[in-house]
Amino acid sequence: SQTIHQWPATLVQPVGSPLSLECTVEGTSNPNLYWYRQAAGRGLQLLFYSVGIGQISSEVPQNLSASRPQDRQFILSSKKLLLSDSGFYLCAWSEGGDSYEQYFGPGTRLTVT
Amino acid sequence: SQQGEEDPQALSIQEGENATMNCSYKTSINNLQWYRQNSGRGLVHLILIRSNEREKHSGRLRVTLDTSKKSSSLLITASRAADTASYFCATAPYGDKLIFGTGTRLQVFP
Repeated sequence: SQTIHQWPATLVQPVGSPLSLECTVEGTSNPNLYWYRQAAGRGLQLLFYSVGIGQISSEVPQNLSASRPQDRQFILSSKKLLLSDSGFYLCAWSEGGDSYEQYFGPGTRLTVT
Repeated sequence: SQQGEEDPQALSIQEGENATMNCSYKTSINNLQWYRQNSGRGLVHLILIRSNEREKHSGRLRVTLDTSKKSSSLLITASRAADTASYFCATAPYGDKLIFGTGTRLQVFP
């Protein structure tokens, strides 16, 4: 069966510090991968989308970047965090093609102080 | 941009009652999905309904889709305390990128 991992679970970082959040998927190959951010009490905003290694689509201009160094690894980064980067970050995967369901990781709660 | 808007924003019911949540969206879609999120956790996929379907069932869940009105509803029958969560609709207007609504917070009291 497939599983998706995210770490860390929680993170408190000062403004101006770098960020690296990691997401890995097990039990599938060549998944589509997604990074979302969820503000408190709100819906999800798609940040990045990847259909393959090195293929990243950015959905919104922001202070963040994403990379996919391996088939089942997706990394969200920032060189200098802003207060507005605080939120709940969720990674998800899907099989792609005609399969539209997405499967989410447990999320990372990021607080920028 | 947000495609879907759920209604109501919050809903409180007693165990055993039915819960109905509605979702409206703006553009044509390929499919519409419903997800559940327990507090502080990731989302769990509940059900997908395609644009050529009008109704779908999964256990205690019933989803309807009216593409002419650009709306969908999620019915949870015989609710349980464990159903307490936020429920989101998500649409796929193109490809497999999902656009999520703002969610309905459901509270089921024992």
